[in-house]
Amino acid sequence: DAKTTQPNSMESNEEEPVHLPCNHSTISGTDYIHWYRQLPSQGPEYVIHGLTSNVNNRMASLAIAEDRKSSTLILHRATLRDAAVYYCILRDWDSSYKLIFGSGTRLLVRP
Amino acid sequence: DGGITQSPKYLFRKEGQNVTLSCEQNLNHDAMYWYRQDPGQGLRLIYYSQIVNDFQKGDIAEGYSVSREKKESFPLTVTSAQKNPTAFYLCASEPGQGAGSPLHFGNGTRLTVT
Repeated sequence: DAKTTQPNSMESNEEEPVHLPCNHSTISGTDYIHWYRQLPSQGPEYVIHGLTSNVNNRMASLAIAEDRKSSTLILHRATLRDAAVYYCILRDWDSSYKLIFGSGTRLLVRP
Repeated sequence: DGGITQSPKYLFRKEGQNVTLSCEQNLNHDAMYWYRQDPGQGLRLIYYSQIVNDFQKGDIAEGYSVSREKKESFPLTVTSAQKNPTAFYLCASEPGQGAGSPLHFGNGTRLTVT
């Protein structure tokens, strides 16, 4: 199963953009890139996903490298409510039920 | 409002007792999952079910059992055979349309066994 690598933690100031990186050098052509975030004592919340093209939604943007070996979750203006653990995971079409969650990136937002 | 309900939020049991965690969804989703999360760790897959009356073991199924008799319900039993049952348990569901659909998670049950 393809794995992802994320920094353990990142810090940002409120109102500033945040770029959360994810490396997935062994990604296969059928792997979707998904991002979730988790607040303390809550279940993860879906943020965004993509396959090859960059994606935007009301929560964030996902920038996918041309070779697909890395991606970046972009929060355009961080708020205190964005402080959470962010998980980057790959979903393979063939075995899409076996999601592998790593330790994620803990985002701290300074007021 | 549609969603996934896990109950109870906190559960305490004595060692040697079986305990069943509830997971109900009204999203009409085919696929359901159980994950375990330990402090500071990511999620690990216990069991998943793609359709009613069918389920598959995940990476850490030993000491756990599930049933899927109804589409809406996917209860997880933590048996006395599970060596370290104290953890945060998360249930999730999705339409079952493959890798492009997002998972919806419940808010978890924190199980403490002493």
